[in-house]
This record gives sequence, structure tokens and C-alpha cells, in this order.
Amino acid sequence: KNEVEQSPQNLTAQEGEFITINCSYSVGISALHWLQQHPGGGIVSLFMLSSGKKKHGRLIATINIQEKHSSLHITASHPRDSAVYICAVTSGSARQLTFGSGTQLTVLP
Amino acid sequence: ETGVTQSPTHLIKTRGQQVTLRCSSQSGHNTVSWYQQALGQGPQFIFQYYREEENGRGNFPPRFSGLQFPNYSSELNVNALELDDSALYLCASSRIAGSYEQYFGPGTRLTVT
Repeated sequence: KNEVEQSPQNLTAQEGEFITINCSYSVGISALHWLQQHPGGGIVSLFMLSSGKKKHGRLIATINIQEKHSSLHITASHPRDSAVYICAVTSGSARQLTFGSGTQLTVLP
Repeated sequence: ETGVTQSPTHLIKTRGQQVTLRCSSQSGHNTVSWYQQALGQGPQFIFQYYREEENGRGNFPPRFSGLQFPNYSSELNVNALELDDSALYLCASSRIAGSYEQYFGPGTRLTVT
């Protein structure tokens, strides 16, 4: 069993839909990250959180430490949101990132 | 743009060869982590360098080695390349070891034939 599990693996939505991507983890963590990866590979950090909720524009990230679960929500989705969204946790002595396998999001116009 | 650069962008090697990948960290960052991302998978932690010393290592064999230079740039070396080493190699820099925020470079796509 992977230490970080994401669902769904693939998600197709119509423009304007509300999107939720889920992440569960099984290890003790210092922080949880939501990252975005576009074709070609570059990774951009969207959120880093250790408790509660954060909001940036149309993106909202929440974390429940007791349940070891986090969600990434996208409101009013747009085709430019199409990307791979990756959940990762900070753990270990080197504070290295342990990644989920990612969710491929496609938003259709 | 994160200020982290990697070179080369792409390269193709033959099984058994050796390869060196390079990473320049963001200005002011003294810690570099390397990750391997196989197609369709999330990245896997290879190792981290802090002030020119290895500061942590993932589950990768010794033929994966690294260096960090006084200017905090870094190299990843892979000896005796195997087909399964084909992947996107990402480096990420952070201001200090133990910082939770890491800034990623664009990656190097390695293909082993």
C-alpha cells in the first residue's frame, strides 16, 4: 500500500463544474502539499498546509489531520485547469516529499 | 518560473552507459533534492544534499550518486544505466534543510534504450 493515495486517477469535467480531488496518507507528516504538473514536467506548488483550509482564487485545499485526509477543490473549472494534480507529504529526517501518483484532470469547454 | 534550472532538457543513452544531470538551485537556497518520476507515476525521492553533504536518501541503489558544489548547484550521476532508469528527473531546491517548501526545476527527460 502506497503511503499517499489519491483519487480519482483520471477526471474529466465540463467547464464550470466543481471538482474535488482526494488524498489520503498513512504516515506522520509535517505538511501536506498540493502541486500542479503540466505536460513537459514542470511542477508548481499550489498549497502547503498542516491544518485547516487554504484558498487561492478558485482553488481550495483542506486537511483533516485526525483522518489523515486532504481534498483539493476547484470551483468554476476552466479548460486551462487541465493538468496533473499531485498530493505530496513532507516526512522523514530530510523533510523529503512523498508523492501520490497524481490525478489527471481534463476540463472540456 | 522558480529560478531552478536543469540541464540537459532531454537525453538518450544506451543501457550500461553513465549519465550526469545538472541542477542550479534558486538563489539563496542551500539544499537540493532529486526525484525520479516514471511515466504515469508520482515522483520518488532519490536523495538530498545540504551544504555539499548527502542529507537523506530514498530507496535507490548506489549507482545513483550525487554531488553538491560550493555554489549549491548539484549533479545527479547514474552509472550502469538500465532500461527502467528511463524517467523524468526533477530537482528541487529549498532555502534550508528541513524547510517544507521546495521549488522544482523543469526536469530532465532521460530515455535509456
